[in-house]
Amino acid sequence: GESVGLHLPTLSVQEGDNSIINCAYSNSASDYFIWYKQESGKGPQFIIDIRSNMDKRQGQRVTVLLNKTVKHLSLQIAATQPGDSAVYFCAEEGTSYDKVIFGPGTSLSVIP
Amino acid sequence: KAGVTQTPRYLIKTRGQQVTLSCSPISGHRSVSWYQQTPGQGLQFLFEYFSETQRNKGNFPGRFSGRQFSNSRSEMNVSTLELGDSALYLCASSHRTGVGKTQYFGPGTRLLVL
Repeated sequence: GESVGLHLPTLSVQEGDNSIINCAYSNSASDYFIWYKQESGKGPQFIIDIRSNMDKRQGQRVTVLLNKTVKHLSLQIAATQPGDSAVYFCAEEGTSYDKVIFGPGTSLSVIP
Repeated sequence: KAGVTQTPRYLIKTRGQQVTLSCSPISGHRSVSWYQQTPGQGLQFLFEYFSETQRNKGNFPGRFSGRQFSNSRSEMNVSTLELGDSALYLCASSHRTGVGKTQYFGPGTRLLVL
């Protein structure tokens, strides 16, 4: 099926450190990107989004960076906390196809 | 506001049966999208309904269908179940459709096909 390319890595970080989760997307026509967090037993939860006319957007403790040249998206989490442990998905959407395509996810584990 | 609710939360069926899953969106939301989540394929888009009309469809066989009612509640149906249909089915609602809509997901219905 269609997918944003992220080959399900796992990431372990110490509590208090910064986390960086990466994502490669394949469709250059995509113009909207979203990061979701999914905790065990729950549905994905919106974290932050970014339009293709931007290269950086900041939220509370999170920053999304977009590099359209190499079709790369990243999520930075500052001062990672145990509650940040979850699977993180990047997703893309474009006006030419107008449906959300999700990456396979990255499992983030925070070590207390 | 209450979040997106999905019923049932868990379901066990056998091959060949059919199943209907239900989704109640957040009050005021008119868009409902359905996704299938499996360990092997990740989250895959099934379809989106907006104001009772199917707006978009993913690459799934015709055994997967859905509908939306005038109160925005949605159902999806899977006929002639196969083992590979075992998955978590997620519903997401949004107040609008189109690119850039913010989607709110329900907890999902976990379907096991034996």
